[in-house]
Amino acid sequence: EAGVTQFPSHSVIEKGQTVTLRCDPISGHDNLYWYRRVMGKEIKFLLHFVKESKQDESGMPNNRFLAERTGGTYSTLKVQPAELEDSGVYFCASSQGLAGGWWRNEQFFGPGTRLTVL
Amino acid sequence: TQLLEQSPQFLSIQEGENLTVYCNSSSVFSSLQWYRQEPGEGPVLLVTVVTGGEVKKLKRLTFQFGDARKDSSLHITAAQPGDTGLYLCAGGLKTSYDKVIFGPGTSLSVIP
Repeated sequence: EAGVTQFPSHSVIEKGQTVTLRCDPISGHDNLYWYRRVMGKEIKFLLHFVKESKQDESGMPNNRFLAERTGGTYSTLKVQPAELEDSGVYFCASSQGLAGGWWRNEQFFGPGTRLTVL
Repeated sequence: TQLLEQSPQFLSIQEGENLTVYCNSSSVFSSLQWYRQEPGEGPVLLVTVVTGGEVKKLKRLTFQFGDARKDSSLHITAAQPGDTGLYLCAGGLKTSYDKVIFGPGTSLSVIP
């Protein structure tokens, strides 16, 4: 079974440009999360989808960030326009959710996308 | 704001030694998770502890959740080079589905 995949693995863009990160969760996982680690800081929660709905987007830094999960499968995270402080590693994670009457909440992380804004 | 602190930040030991990594907070968490992350990869869940005072063992790794559910420790016995990596603790917030708060991590290097 394939794990969580993220694309691209690295992205280098200039300030003011737009970047779109993609996450493909494990097939069948209802929950999808985006996290970010900026240099020298801890991994921080950005938002949580349950299927196609945003359950919690309290960690989104500002309105330059837009996350979507159309159809409840893969998700995209767009940064427009990118700023220097957006540089970091963006992780996606997924968990199964309620299955067979049990909550299966273990989050499986992707390898991350390293974003560098120059 | 819930914050998790981890100590030490960096640890370099010889193969065969024992070590303990600590995770502390002033907040109470519904669960505490430990992850290990290797370069170029995402964090991988090692264990989840949910009950105050709970102890879980995973081969040479022993995890303990504090009685007050504010702190946790990870003890590794007879460390091996394969244990090298970044160890992250993360506190679970039951009020917000599976949202977790991560600590900054402890970078462990086990020298052969």
